[in-house]
Amino acid sequence: EVQLLESGGGLVQPGGSLRLSCAASGFTFNDYAMSWVRQAPGKGLEWVSSVSSSGGTTYYANSVKGRFILSRDYSKNTLSLQMTSLRAEDTALYYCAKVSTSGPGGWFDPWGQGTLVTVSS
Amino acid sequence: EIVLTQSPATLSLSPGERVTLSCRASQSVSSYLAWYQQKPGQAPRLLIYDASNRATGIPARFSGSGSGTDFTLTISSLEPDDFAVYYCHQRSNWPQTFGQGTKVEIK
Repeated sequence: EVQLLESGGGLVQPGGSLRLSCAASGFTFNDYAMSWVRQAPGKGLEWVSSVSSSGGTTYYANSVKGRFILSRDYSKNTLSLQMTSLRAEDTALYYCAKVSTSGPGGWFDPWGQGTLVTVSS
Repeated sequence: EIVLTQSPATLSLSPGERVTLSCRASQSVSSYLAWYQQKPGQAPRLLIYDASNRATGIPARFSGSGSGTDFTLTISSLEPDDFAVYYCHQRSNWPQTFGQGTKVEIK
């Protein structure tokens, strides 16, 4: 069974940094692209970033480009999202998702339970 | 950026009724469209991918259709477990985008 366990969320001040992690198990991590999708409180879904299975191709939403960095650690089967220069509008539940393909442009299935990031002074 | 517009925003229905949800894209996404279901306090779940293919374990009462810019998710007979928010999602172009969601609530 595929399991995705997010961690690293919390309360951070505007302009601060946070690193989210997603521990993956139950599938061959090297074979699949991975993504982050976020959901602001009471709002809809927003794609944030995706990385190919090899880690060689990464895409970012315009809203986070230049501030977030997505990476993967194959030795630990972990996906990480380094977030800097955080803004109030980054406040959301951040979901890690396995992508259905090796390339980053596949479907999101399944999703983790999410980790909450709150940006506030 | 491709904008996905879902309609209606909310549907109030009774168990056993047939449901039709719409998703319209601002430009063609071919068949690169999926539908997800999200229940309160839960992560989204993939229902339909490539416009018309049911994901693993999804009941046959869920079906998807369409191509290009107009897509439909149909639930043939609503079960109590189906009351949720439904999102469409396109992977045709970067950035990938989601519709704003349709809430299916109990009448």
